[in-house]
Parts: sequence; C-alpha cells; structure tokens
Amino acid sequence: QQPVQSPQAVILREGEDAVINCSSSKALYSVHWYRQKHGEAPVFLMILLKGGEQKGHDKISASFNEKKQQSSLYLTASQLSYSGTYFCGTGGGGGGSNYKLTFGKGTLLTVNP
Amino acid sequence: DTGVSQNPRHKITKRGQNVTFRCDPISEHNRLYWYRQTLGQGPEFLTYFQNEAQLEKSRLLSDRFSAERPKGSFSTLEIQRTEQGDSAMYLCASTPTGGDGYTFGSGTRLTVV
Repeated sequence: QQPVQSPQAVILREGEDAVINCSSSKALYSVHWYRQKHGEAPVFLMILLKGGEQKGHDKISASFNEKKQQSSLYLTASQLSYSGTYFCGTGGGGGGSNYKLTFGKGTLLTVNP
Repeated sequence: DTGVSQNPRHKITKRGQNVTFRCDPISEHNRLYWYRQTLGQGPEFLTYFQNEAQLEKSRLLSDRFSAERPKGSFSTLEIQRTEQGDSAMYLCASTPTGGDGYTFGSGTRLTVV
C-alpha cells in the first residue's frame, strides 16, 4: 500500500525549517527519502532501517518510528537548493533494505529568497 | 563511472506500436529496477532484477510489458501494442547487492499519441 505523505506542499523562506511526514498502514522495514527536481531523476538522500534510528547529514535529518509506522524528514535552515519534490519510499523487507520500494505521492517544497 | 544511463531520453510513438527502452546501470551494481512515474505521482514499481534473474514483476503490469537483463549487465524494457495510458516517465535504478539507496537514471519519457 502506498505510504501517505504530508503536507502535500510547503512554501518556505530561505533559512526556515520544515518537516515532511510519511505514514504507512503496513509494517515497515526500511524507509528511503529522495528529492526530485523538475525534469530530473530522483536523488537519494538517506535510508532508515527498522530500529527507530535517526540519521542526518548537513542540515537534513530523518527519523523512523517503526511502532507508529512513520518516518519524518527534517530540513533545517533551508536553502534555495532544497526546493523540489520529496518522496518517501517504503520497503516491506523480504530480502534486504533495498528491496522494491513503494513511493508516496510526494511533497512539493519551495524555498523562496 | 557516469551513473545510470537510459536511452532514449524521449520517445513519441503511435498507439499500437512497440517500443523498447534501454538501461545501463552502474557497472558494479547487481540489482536493477524499473519504475514508472506519471505527473504528480511517485515512482511506481514495475520489475526488479538481481544479476540476470528477474525476481519480481508488478501485478499491475500487463502482458504487453516485458523486461530482460541478459548477462546481468544492461536491461531492456519493451512495451508492445502501446496505449495512451502507457504515457509516462520510465525510470531505471540500480543498487549494489546489500547496498544503499537507489541511483536513478534520468529516465525515458514516453508519449503515446
């Protein structure tokens, strides 16, 4: 089943923070996060595995709550380059963390100067 | 390594014609995935290879779709008797076995007229 992302869209000013949520109705083994700019391929940001860990690099981090079957992506002090559509992809396991993914519909993030 | 390469970038075809797309993954990646993306949606899983073995094909995929990965290197996706509903971006991605997130290619945009 397709994970549900919220919000569908968010507009920020440079330097502001944002949180994007991803919820699933089925048990999760892994959650991937990708960013896609218009007309380009999705670019991998990070992967979180079952265990409730939090990951991050630079000013982008994510958490994974397997009990709630949710993941959240945190963008702090946003930059213009953060603009794009963010997708979460959920994996149900069965052969590794990078098995086939089911992607949400995406969250369109726009960062204005 | 130049990443995942897909050809052609764009394909316009008449309804009823057959089309074939090619994907060259990152050379050391054993796993190769095909996804389809329509406007405003996240990528939708089509099929998945580990080396030359096709391990899963989406139930949503009709018999008009077939994919191969001879010798475990490049892969082809063929759509027979194309329909207007096949119009979409077809994305290929690869990962190393037991590796991390997907590396996507730039995709092939198919338009069926």
